[in-house]
Amino acid sequence: AQKVTQAQTEISVVEKEDVTLDCVYETRDTTYYLFWYKQPPSGELVFLIRRNSFDEQNEISGRYSWNFQKSTSSFNFTITASQVVDSAVYFCALIEAQGGSEKLVFGKGTKLTVNP
Amino acid sequence: DSGVTQTPKHLITATGQRVTLRCSPRSGDLSVYWYQQSLDQGLQFLIQYYNGEERAKGNILERFSAQQFPDLHSELNLSSLELGDSALYFCASSVELAGSPRTQYFGPGTRLLVL
Repeated sequence: AQKVTQAQTEISVVEKEDVTLDCVYETRDTTYYLFWYKQPPSGELVFLIRRNSFDEQNEISGRYSWNFQKSTSSFNFTITASQVVDSAVYFCALIEAQGGSEKLVFGKGTKLTVNP
Repeated sequence: DSGVTQTPKHLITATGQRVTLRCSPRSGDLSVYWYQQSLDQGLQFLIQYYNGEERAKGNILERFSAQQFPDLHSELNLSSLELGDSALYFCASSVELAGSPRTQYFGPGTRLLVL
């Protein structure tokens, strides 16, 4: 069965530090889709990125970057020069392509606190 | 703002009661998903509807039911409420695309407190 593990429960950094959030996934499928969502203190879930298993290019969006490594089943998220507004819980999630299921399987989340 | 709306934002009720949570998907999205976020279980998929039909079911209790109406809005009904049902309930929506799961965009959630 598919599983997403975010081993870091909480991380605390000082503003302007770089921080990497780890995500390791398990799936039997050869085609799958990985996601990162952000949940700020206000509670909503905000979509950040989607990565298909057949596209191993890393991606950068401003201060955010994602490193997808199929060999280690990891999809890590790095925030460069962190800011207080980055404080949130970050969730990694997975969808398998087989069976027509579109349910997101989430990790437990990593709570990031950026201190001024 | 994801474009997905959920009402009410907060709900306080008593054990044994029944409540209805409402969700309006983004314009053009045919799929609606319900998720429950609790401290002990994390984010769990409950159920998915596509254009009025149930598409997939997760760990949804028998006391819970959902439906999607012709105007595509969806309702999640929770009955015989227990203390453990206290959670944040999210609705998400996505556009249908053959052969590839689409990105799910989440509403702001309904926070349910059962006393």
